[in-house]
Amino acid sequence: GIQVEQSPPDLILQEGANSTLRCNFSDSVNNLQWFHQNPWGQLINLFYIPSGTKQNGRLSATTVATERYSLLYISSSQTTDSGVYFCAVSSGWGGATNKLIFGTGTLLAVQP
Amino acid sequence: AAGVIQSPRHLIKEKRETATLKCYPIPRHDTVYWYQQGPGQDPQFLISFYEKMQSDKGSIPDRFSAQQFSDYHSELNMSSLELGDSALYFCASSLGRTTIQETQYFGPGTRLLVL
Repeated sequence: GIQVEQSPPDLILQEGANSTLRCNFSDSVNNLQWFHQNPWGQLINLFYIPSGTKQNGRLSATTVATERYSLLYISSSQTTDSGVYFCAVSSGWGGATNKLIFGTGTLLAVQP
Repeated sequence: AAGVIQSPRHLIKEKRETATLKCYPIPRHDTVYWYQQGPGQDPQFLISFYEKMQSDKGSIPDRFSAQQFSDYHSELNMSSLELGDSALYFCASSLGRTTIQETQYFGPGTRLLVL
């Protein structure tokens, strides 16, 4: 099955710093989502980005499908950005089987 | 906007007991997914339903069963609970179109603790 690797596994930042999280995947995908899991366990949908570039406030993401990687950029980090960031992909089509395969996550800690 | 609703949010059970988790998808979503996230782990796919039929199955124990009802809500039934079943259980929903992928929206999760 498809493999998803995320780097770095852990990241400590000072408030206000920028960071880049990477997600590599082993096969073609037609769904790629970035999630933020907050300290209470909630999985918050950040981006649906199987290809291209999107921006939402201080966050942006780029997926280069032909080279099988995606990047999540966090600018001017805040303490509330702390948590685990997951990349998840799917290679299924249509309604039949679109299960998401998650990477192992990047644990981000933003210090005041 | 309406989100995915899961109930209960927290559940404590004894070993060998049964548990039922419920999921109410976003209105008009016809596809439901269940994921299990153990402590310190990434979420793992369990099972999915499209238009009330099982569409895919992952590493779901035989002790677990699930179904999707006519109103599209889904229930995950777990029997003979084991300590290792303690986890966060997520339900996600999406529109299962035939030609394009759709975003999966996750519920808040049910935290199950088996004692």
